[in-house]
Amino acid sequence: DAGVIQSPRHEVTEMGQEVTLRCKPISGHNSLFWYRQTMMRGLELLIYFNNNVPIDDSGMPEDRFSAKMPNASFSTLKIQPSEPRDSAVYFCASDVNNYGYTFGSGTRLTVV
Amino acid sequence: AQSVTQLGSHVSVSEGALVLLRCNYSSSVPPYLFWYVQYPNQGLQLLLKYTSAATLVKGINGFEAEFKKSETSFHLTKPSAHMSDAAEYFCAVSDRSASKIIFGSGTRLSIRP
Repeated sequence: DAGVIQSPRHEVTEMGQEVTLRCKPISGHNSLFWYRQTMMRGLELLIYFNNNVPIDDSGMPEDRFSAKMPNASFSTLKIQPSEPRDSAVYFCASDVNNYGYTFGSGTRLTVV
Repeated sequence: AQSVTQLGSHVSVSEGALVLLRCNYSSSVPPYLFWYVQYPNQGLQLLLKYTSAATLVKGINGFEAEFKKSETSFHLTKPSAHMSDAAEYFCAVSDRSASKIIFGSGTRLSIRP
């Protein structure tokens, strides 16, 4: 199993541009989570899906952030427009039956 | 609501010494408890998980944790530290009926030669 796959690993973009982060969960996992990690705030849960349906998006910072899960094998997190304060490492994780998350390697986003 | 508190943002021990990372939880229902490890530039990796089968849980890399309900604690230990144990460690809690896991703020473990 290749694990949770995130792309890109690194993204540098200019303020105001649209950014799309991608995640492929482990096959058979029915829960998917998007986290943001910064030095100041630690790990923040942004949104999670169960069986492709968004369950809790209360952690999404503002309307500039949106997430989709069109099928069981793919999810995106989009930021439009991006701002320097969005710079962080974004992690995707998947799980099945509350076994314990498997995390991807993350996307390091830098907005200049 | 559930939460975890990790005592000490940074712990430093000598190689070969005991590792003790502290975690206290708050939960109104019997919880699942987790420890994760994060090495530099990597995602989090599950070390061990408590599900009520046994109060002493053994994980990977020689780590173990003991669930103490009376103290609402789930401290992580390892008898003898290795240089390769240097990493960030996260304690986490979940409601058994929910998918969402709540993470602590993390403890950075440094190992002195």
